[in-house]
Amino acid sequence: DIQMTQSPSSLSASVGDRVTITCRASQGISNYLAWYQQKPGKVPKLLIYAASTLQSGVPSRFSGSGSGTDFTLTISSLQPEDVATYYCQKYNSAPRDFGGGTKVEIK
Amino acid sequence: QVQLVQSGAEVKKPGASVKVSCKASGYTFTGYYMHWVRQAPGQGLEWMGRINPNSGGTNYAQKFQGRVTMTRDTSISTAYMELSRLRSDDTAVYYCARDRDDFWSPPFDYWGQGTLVTVSS
Repeated sequence: DIQMTQSPSSLSASVGDRVTITCRASQGISNYLAWYQQKPGKVPKLLIYAASTLQSGVPSRFSGSGSGTDFTLTISSLQPEDVATYYCQKYNSAPRDFGGGTKVEIK
Repeated sequence: QVQLVQSGAEVKKPGASVKVSCKASGYTFTGYYMHWVRQAPGQGLEWMGRINPNSGGTNYAQKFQGRVTMTRDTSISTAYMELSRLRSDDTAVYYCARDRDDFWSPPFDYWGQGTLVTVSS
């Protein structure tokens, strides 16, 4: 199975900072990569799919890039409401495994 | 509007089984796969498997093979996930989520509200 590895596992940044989260697949998955946001006590929410396509209703400060094995999620200007754990997920085939998550906090 | 409504919280003893339901509305039930994802307390998301509501075909994560069964009832647009031989480390919130299995369609765009399953003696 393809392993999904996220880094860092947690980060702390100031409001307005640019934040970047990395996801690496152990084998190429083309652009079959999605990002989810999960706020404490809430259901995960789809942010980005096809590596870089913003889901409807998601603020434009979120963006995704990458292809093959290396992907990034960028928050261009961190806001207090972005405090959450972010997960990547491959969806080229089963199993639809997730990365381990990156917890984002405000400094 | 699309909704996935799951059954309520469960408390089970080790060795027992649990069956969680996920009732879909607002879309064509047979047009989307239904996946199950779980999250243990303080842990990440873990994919368990999926069912094709149209054919009934399933794919399970290797970790759960032999213990998990996913079924559906198309007459009531409901998917089910049954996990047997429960252990304490199966304590988790279990989610259903739909997916079209198509690159250009957003995956897991709707999720159920989650069902807490607690395994305790």
